[in-house]
Amino acid sequence: DAKTTQPPSMDCAEGRAANLPCNHSTISGNEYVYWYRQIHSQGPQYIIHGLKNNETNEMASLIITEDRKSSTLILPHATLRDTAVYYCIVRGNSGGSNYKLTFGKGTLLTVNP
Amino acid sequence: GAVVSQHPSWVICKSGTSVKIECRSLDFQATTMFWYRQFPKQSLMLMATSNEGSKATYEQGVEKDKFLINHASLTLSTLTVTSAHPEDSSFYICSATDLGRAEQFFGPGTRLTVL
Repeated sequence: DAKTTQPPSMDCAEGRAANLPCNHSTISGNEYVYWYRQIHSQGPQYIIHGLKNNETNEMASLIITEDRKSSTLILPHATLRDTAVYYCIVRGNSGGSNYKLTFGKGTLLTVNP
Repeated sequence: GAVVSQHPSWVICKSGTSVKIECRSLDFQATTMFWYRQFPKQSLMLMATSNEGSKATYEQGVEKDKFLINHASLTLSTLTVTSAHPEDSSFYICSATDLGRAEQFFGPGTRLTVL
């Protein structure tokens, strides 16, 4: 799986949009970009994933550049409960053990009141 | 979203004893389950992948005889830490998926402390 690079930490004001960047310059054509987050002492939570088109769900939006070498996760109106470590992971979508996720260090997003 | 539970949520045991952790998919059938562990201030490290009805595949450096994994049904996988030692103290997290889903769903984790 392709390696990702994320800033170690970011701050955001409550109510503002949080934009979390991720570089994945070695991504291959069949690999998806996944985002998970982990609130302290809890299991990770799935947020969103995409291949090349921008995606949006009730939690966030995912913007993938045209060359697919980077992406941005957008939390439109951050709340204090969004404080967590956010992981950007690149992974193929074939079956079985290829579903495994390789977690990097992620970005610690701190939402401030 | 799909729900995955783990039991127990925390356990304290004496060195040399064995501990079993259960992972259940509550509202879907999990053809594949994964076991991770996370040491303080570190990221999740995959330990093994298990497919229902077959032997688990362990990551390099993970002792299969120490971390016994059973995935006997489509809704239950167990991880047994045998002869636990203080260095096995960690946060153990499972995840589950099935062939129809792209995402994995994670359990809440089990904190193991070995005295």
